[in-house]
Amino acid sequence: DSGVTQTPKHLITATGQRVTLRCSPRSGDLSVYWYQQSLDQGLQFLIQYYNGEERAKGNILERFSAQQFPDLHSELNLSSLELGDSALYFCASSKGHRASSYEQYFGPGTRLTVT
Amino acid sequence: QQQVKQSPQSLIVQKGGISIINCAYENTAFDYFPWYQQFPGKGPALLIAIRPDVSEKKEGRFTISFNKSAKQFSLHIMDSQPGDSATYFCAASGLWGANNLFFGTGTRLTVIP
Repeated sequence: DSGVTQTPKHLITATGQRVTLRCSPRSGDLSVYWYQQSLDQGLQFLIQYYNGEERAKGNILERFSAQQFPDLHSELNLSSLELGDSALYFCASSKGHRASSYEQYFGPGTRLTVT
Repeated sequence: QQQVKQSPQSLIVQKGGISIINCAYENTAFDYFPWYQQFPGKGPALLIAIRPDVSEKKEGRFTISFNKSAKQFSLHIMDSQPGDSATYFCAASGLWGANNLFFGTGTRLTVIP
């Protein structure tokens, strides 16, 4: 158990809908990273927040957004969902803001299925 | 483009054998190279990591070998066990530039008894 929690575990929704994925980092960690894992794209970095502020952005679509709250939990919002958004979404947390300086610990993931 | 190239895509090893997974990178700014292990239905778990100031790091049955001049690093699993059957990802990150882990495409390891 990494100490990172994610809810829900599974999510099934229809195209065009909007969903929110939630992540609670390990105690003491200030950074939250979001990743998308699909069969054909592997693990792709989406976005990082550090202590409430956006720190780095990866291949995140404009339909997707995230935020980190004062209690450090983070939410990833996915809107106007398409079939291709079906994937596993992971969050990871770390103590600091540099990916090369601090180990990242992954949560169990949310499996999103868009029908 | 794929920042970290990983091979092979899949690997079958007999119990007790050595599993070897290779990764290569181009960005010389990378200075942190972790390996993650992922079981079906679970999130990736950090296994072992290395920085370029050493050529090898060993933790139990897992060893990372690092070749800075060739820009390659590999994971060796000694005395492979059926419980090691999982997908392994190499990754890389650097002090400069994009602040995230760049992952390889993964290697599905199957250890047969």
